[in-house]
Amino acid sequence: NAGVMQNPRHLVRRRGQEARLRCSPMKGHSHVYWYRQLPEEGLKFMVYLQKENIIDESGMPKERFSAEFPKEGPSILRIQQVVRGDSAAYFCASSTGKGTEAFFGQGTRLTVV
Amino acid sequence: SQQGEEDPQALSIQEGENATMNCSYKTSINNLQWYRQNSGRGLVHLILIRSNEREKHSGRLRVTLDTSKKSSSLLITASRAADTASYFCATEGGGSQGNLIFGKGTKLSVKP
Repeated sequence: NAGVMQNPRHLVRRRGQEARLRCSPMKGHSHVYWYRQLPEEGLKFMVYLQKENIIDESGMPKERFSAEFPKEGPSILRIQQVVRGDSAAYFCASSTGKGTEAFFGQGTRLTVV
Repeated sequence: SQQGEEDPQALSIQEGENATMNCSYKTSINNLQWYRQNSGRGLVHLILIRSNEREKHSGRLRVTLDTSKKSSSLLITASRAADTASYFCATEGGGSQGNLIFGKGTKLSVKP
């Protein structure tokens, strides 16, 4: 049973480009969460999705950021027109639902140059 | 908003000693989870303790939860150099949809 898979592990984008981060949850998990981590900081919740539904996006910036979890395929976190401040590690976690362990991927480290 | 706050921010001990990290939170919770993160890596799930539990063990790890004080502690016994990492507590709030709120972590250094 493979763990949570994120790709790419490292992503470099120029200012103004788009960044697409992918997350495949663990087998049997239908709940996906995205978090952002700045250096020397804890993780900040961004968005919680189930298949084809956004359940809670209270941590998502209102502009340029979007997330989806289609019926088929991985969850995608998309950042349009990236700026230097978007540079961070983005982690995806999956679980079987509320009250259960959440397992994390290895993260995507986004660098905006 | 930050829910869990770990204490201390950094801890340095010798191999073989015990390490205790504390976490305080502000609102009611369904459960509290502890994670380990090695530098530049993802998070590894250590233990989940539910709001109706007071203590849980896993190998050399012991977690306690005091809901009246809104605090939890993680004890690592007989520490090893390989335990060097950052440790985070994360709370699932009583009214949440299942997302976790993380503290800033305790950076543990175990010297051989």
